[in-house]
Amino acid sequence: KAGVTQTPRYLIKTRGQQVTLSCSPISGHRSVSWYQQTPGQGLQFLFEYFSETQRNKGNFPGRFSGRQFSNSRSEMNVSTLELGDSALYLCASSSPEGHGYTFGSGTRLTVV
Amino acid sequence: DQQVKQNSPSLSVQEGRISILNCDYTNSMFDYFLWYKKYPAEGPTFLISISSIKDKNEDGRFTVFLNKSAKHLSLHIVPSQPGDSAVYFCAASASGSARQLTFGSGTQLTVLP
Repeated sequence: KAGVTQTPRYLIKTRGQQVTLSCSPISGHRSVSWYQQTPGQGLQFLFEYFSETQRNKGNFPGRFSGRQFSNSRSEMNVSTLELGDSALYLCASSSPEGHGYTFGSGTRLTVV
Repeated sequence: DQQVKQNSPSLSVQEGRISILNCDYTNSMFDYFLWYKKYPAEGPTFLISISSIKDKNEDGRFTVFLNKSAKHLSLHIVPSQPGDSAVYFCAASASGSARQLTFGSGTQLTVLP
C-alpha cells in the first residue's frame, strides 16, 4: 500500500511569509502527527490529529497550526515565518490500534 | 529538559560485529518505546518497539532490551551490515498521550566493511 505522502518536498520562503504543507496518510490511518526536525533540537512533536480533531499539541507558538480533513489528509500552516523555522517537517500516520508511526519523507523548508 | 537521551552522537563498528545503541529516559510515565532508523533526506523508518511490560523484544537481527529500574533501553544489531549505517532514534510515549512521541537526539551508526 502507498506510504505517507508529503508535498512539497522542498520549499523556500521569505521571512514574514506563511506556508502550508500537506500530508496524505496511509489509507485507513486516521491519526496524523507532525514533527519538526532541526539539527539543534532533533525531532520535536508539533501536533496530532485524529478524526479532524487536534488531540495533542507540542510546545510550539501559535504561528504553527494544522488541520485534518474528513479523508484524514492533513495540512500544517506556519505564519509569519522566521529564520529559525527552517527545518525538515515530518508527517506521520498511525492506525487506531498501533503505537508506531509511519513517517513520510518530509518537507524541507528553508526560510531566507 | 531532555526526557529521552542518546548520549552517543556516533558509533562505528566493523561489519559482522554487534552494534549496541543506548538510550536513557527520565519520564517514568513512558510505557512504550520505539527505535527508528533514518537516512538523509528521508523520514524515519520504524524498526522495533517494546512495551514496558516486557524487558526484551526481538525481530531478526534487531533486539531491544528495556531496563525499567534504570530507565534505560538499548538496541542490539547482530550481525551489523554496511546497509545499517544510518541515524538511529530512540522514541518513547506514555499511555494517554500515546500518539505523541518524544525522541532522543539520535546516534549516527557507521558500519565499516
